Amino acid sequence: QQQVKQSPQSLIVQKGGISIINCAYENTAFDYFPWYQQFPGKGPALLIAIRPDVSEKKEGRFTISFNKSAKQFSLHIMDSQPGDSATYFCAASSGYSSASKIIFGSGTRLSIRP
Amino acid sequence: GAVVSQHPSWVICKSGTSVKIECRSLDFQATTMFWYRQFPKQSLMLMATSNEGSKATYEQGVEKDKFLINHASLTLSTLTVTSAHPEDSSFYICSGLWTGNTEAFFGQGTRLTVV
Repeated sequence: QQQVKQSPQSLIVQKGGISIINCAYENTAFDYFPWYQQFPGKGPALLIAIRPDVSEKKEGRFTISFNKSAKQFSLHIMDSQPGDSATYFCAASSGYSSASKIIFGSGTRLSIRP
Repeated sequence: GAVVSQHPSWVICKSGTSVKIECRSLDFQATTMFWYRQFPKQSLMLMATSNEGSKATYEQGVEKDKFLINHASLTLSTLTVTSAHPEDSSFYICSGLWTGNTEAFFGQGTRLTVV
């Protein structure tokens, strides 16, 4: 059962453009929504995360938009750079109140063209 | 952020042998460790969750007798792939967190190739 659905599977964006990746979840018990960046042959690294009590969180060029009623959240990368080329995973857990497993989306391979 | 060190980064073993992967939390006490497996161009699939001093909880479809997880201390967890076969070849990743913290910190991953 796929609890976190992610799209698109792959994305190509011109340098300086905006990269947008979308995710949807099913379990309303989820209360923590992180985004991870993974480079080939490496483990994932936390990029930015949000809780459902806010609709948006921004850190530098990265912004998460969260729609609790629609059970959807998205990652926006502004002024995309070649160094942003990586695989991005959205995730969800009910771990804010206690240690809980993180459920990953299927991933988006992002390529930024120079 | 906190650091999780995973070793080895890659290993090649013969079919039928066992391989141990170590995951150490260097600057925090990992009360919970997660082990994931990732096939090429796919997402991370949770294999098991372990709490220090307790038996690991395995996800459905993961053979607990094949993938032995030990979490004997707050800074070390190990995954042993027993009687490895070529279909076990994958990228294995651990992550740890401590009680009261939501963010899990990931190791660098281990590329296992069984020949």
